Amino acid sequence: AQKITQTQPGMFVQEKEAVTLDCTYDTSDPSYGLFWYKQPSSGEMIFLIYQGSYDQQNATEGRYSLNFQKARKSANLVISASQLGDSAMYFCAMRGNAGNNRKLIWGLGTSLAVNP
Amino acid sequence: ETGVTQSPTHLIKTRGQQVTLRCSSQSGHNTVSWYQQALGQGPQFIFQYYREEENGRGNFPPRFSGLQFPNYSSELNVNALELDDSALYLCASSLAGTNQPQHFGDGTRLSIL
Repeated sequence: AQKITQTQPGMFVQEKEAVTLDCTYDTSDPSYGLFWYKQPSSGEMIFLIYQGSYDQQNATEGRYSLNFQKARKSANLVISASQLGDSAMYFCAMRGNAGNNRKLIWGLGTSLAVNP
Repeated sequence: ETGVTQSPTHLIKTRGQQVTLRCSSQSGHNTVSWYQQALGQGPQFIFQYYREEENGRGNFPPRFSGLQFPNYSSELNVNALELDDSALYLCASSLAGTNQPQHFGDGTRLSIL
């Protein structure tokens, strides 16, 4: 069965510093996709970044980058130059390629607080 | 480009009632997924529709049902509401494919009294 684990319930970071949010996963699918989403207190779920299991390079999107270590089954999100508006819940999610694994499964999330 | 819209934004029901939540997918997206998110938890997959057919379902009882229409909009129906059904219900649309990100609406917050 597929599983996503986020071991950091809460994280603090100083404004303008970088922060890494951890995510490990488990799947038997050879082909899968990993996603990170941001959920502010207002509730909307915002897509941040995607990494495919066969991608050779780590994904980057602006201040977001994904540290993908396939052998370790980890897909950590790195946010550089943190801003106050980055304070939110962050979810790691995964989707496989076969049968019921096509559904997107989610971790429990990490609450990030950016301090001024 | 019009994003995903959900209605209503808030809803209050009592136990045993039935509810219908609606979702308009982002323009061009043919896949719609529904999630239930309890307070302080990650989203839980309810089901997914692709071209009007259900093509994936999570661990939810049959009283959770859905539809997708030819314009790819969707409904989530919940019968015989229970107190534990109180949650944020999120709809997401995407193109088909493992690498396609899902784009979410703002959700419907359902409270059961």
